[in-house]
Amino acid sequence: AQKITQTQPGMFVQEKEAVTLDCTYDTSDPSYGLFWYKQPSSGEMIFLIYQGSYDQQNATEGRYSLNFQKARKSANLVISASQLGDSAMYFCAMRVGAQKLVFGQGTRLTINP
Amino acid sequence: NAGVTQTPKFRILKIGQSMTLQCTQDMNHNYMYWYRQDPGMGLKLIYYSVGAGITDKGEVPNGYNVSRSTTEDFPLRLELAAPSQTSVYFCASINGGGSGYTFGSGTRLTVV
Repeated sequence: AQKITQTQPGMFVQEKEAVTLDCTYDTSDPSYGLFWYKQPSSGEMIFLIYQGSYDQQNATEGRYSLNFQKARKSANLVISASQLGDSAMYFCAMRVGAQKLVFGQGTRLTINP
Repeated sequence: NAGVTQTPKFRILKIGQSMTLQCTQDMNHNYMYWYRQDPGMGLKLIYYSVGAGITDKGEVPNGYNVSRSTTEDFPLRLELAAPSQTSVYFCASINGGGSGYTFGSGTRLTVV
């Protein structure tokens, strides 16, 4: 079965600290993609970062990096130097057949001043 | 370039009523998707299409229908609305592989 698991329903972090959001995945396909999306209270889905299953290096996009551990089937999101504007829901997703996305249940991140 | 446009943004339906959620994209994307997001949860796939004239069921298709007569449009039809269909509905599209999914802004539907 193709599945994404996010085990942290909520995270509370002090401003300027780094935070790691956990994501594990399950698939038997050798080719897949892993995504992180941010959903602020306004509701839109904002793409943050992408990692292909054959990519040799971990993806980075500004303050976001994806810690991809293929053998462990994990794709954790690391946000460096967190900001108040980072408070939102964060979703891990995996691309499967027909370019479909399978989403995890999300982690609500709260940044405290 | 409008991207993916969903209408309406909000709607309240009575139990048993029907409605169509509209989704239009102007990027000539082949693949289109409908997801629903229940409060505090992740997105679940309702239906998807890999091109005009081709549709298929996702994880939660019961109570919904779709059509794809053109590349641009992918409407979602709710027949006999039920309270369990209260949710936020997202339409998304992509042209092929990679990371370039485009999401609409969502339709918040309440069935009372």
